[in-house]
Amino acid sequence: NAGVTQTPKFQVLKTGQSMTLQCAQDMNHNSMYWYRQDPGMGLRLIYYSASEGTTDKGEVPNGYNVSRLNKREFSLRLESAAPSQTSVYFCASRTHGGTKNYGYTFGSGTRLTVV
Amino acid sequence: GNSVTQMEGPVTLSEEAFLTINCTYTATGYPSLFWYVQYPGEGLQLLLKATKADDKGSNKGFEATYRKETTSFHLEKGSVQVSDSAVYFCALTTNSGAGSYQLTFGKGTKLSVIP
Repeated sequence: NAGVTQTPKFQVLKTGQSMTLQCAQDMNHNSMYWYRQDPGMGLRLIYYSASEGTTDKGEVPNGYNVSRLNKREFSLRLESAAPSQTSVYFCASRTHGGTKNYGYTFGSGTRLTVV
Repeated sequence: GNSVTQMEGPVTLSEEAFLTINCTYTATGYPSLFWYVQYPGEGLQLLLKATKADDKGSNKGFEATYRKETTSFHLEKGSVQVSDSAVYFCALTTNSGAGSYQLTFGKGTKLSVIP
C-alpha cells in the first residue's frame, strides 16, 4: 500500500534549469495538491486538481506549472528554476465525499535546492 | 479568506510534562479542523481532527476541542514523551468550490522533548 509516492526525494538545480516533480497515488483519490514548505511559513498551496482534467492555482503559483496526467498522477514543473524556489515540496491527495472526513494523504516530500 | 495562527516555537519540554499548543483560526463558512504532525525527514501525518463545534479529536494521548465561540483548536497532551518530538501543524479546510477542500496550514510549532 504505497499511498502517495513522490520522486525524486532530493534534487539540486542550477538557476534557470527546468525539472518536473512527479507524484502518483494509488488510492483512487479524486483531488490532488502540491504544497511547498518553507521555514517559518508552514505549508502553502501551489496548485491543485479537484478532479481529473482540471487544475487551479493556489496561494503561490508563480513560476510553476502542473499537469494532471490521469487520475493517479499530478506533476509539478519548474520551467526556469530560481533560488526562491528552494523548498520542500509535498504532494497530497484526497477522495471526494459528501462528508467532512477529508482524508488527506501526504507524500514524503521532495527537497529541492536551487543554486 | 481562511487563516490559521498557532503559537510560535520552538517549544522544549521535559518528558512527562504537560503540552499545550495554541491554535486559532478565521474562516469563511464552517471549517473542519485538523492537527498534523511531521517527524524529522518525513511527510505530514494526520494526528486528529474535528468536524463540528464542540467535537473533541483525540489520538495517541493528544486531544483538541473545536471551540467555535473562541475560534480555537488547541492541542493538548497530559504527559509528553521523547518520541513526540516533531513539528505540529494546525490546519483547516472549507469547501472552496468544485469540491476542492483546500487545506490552510498554520506555520507549525516545533516541539522538542528532553529526557
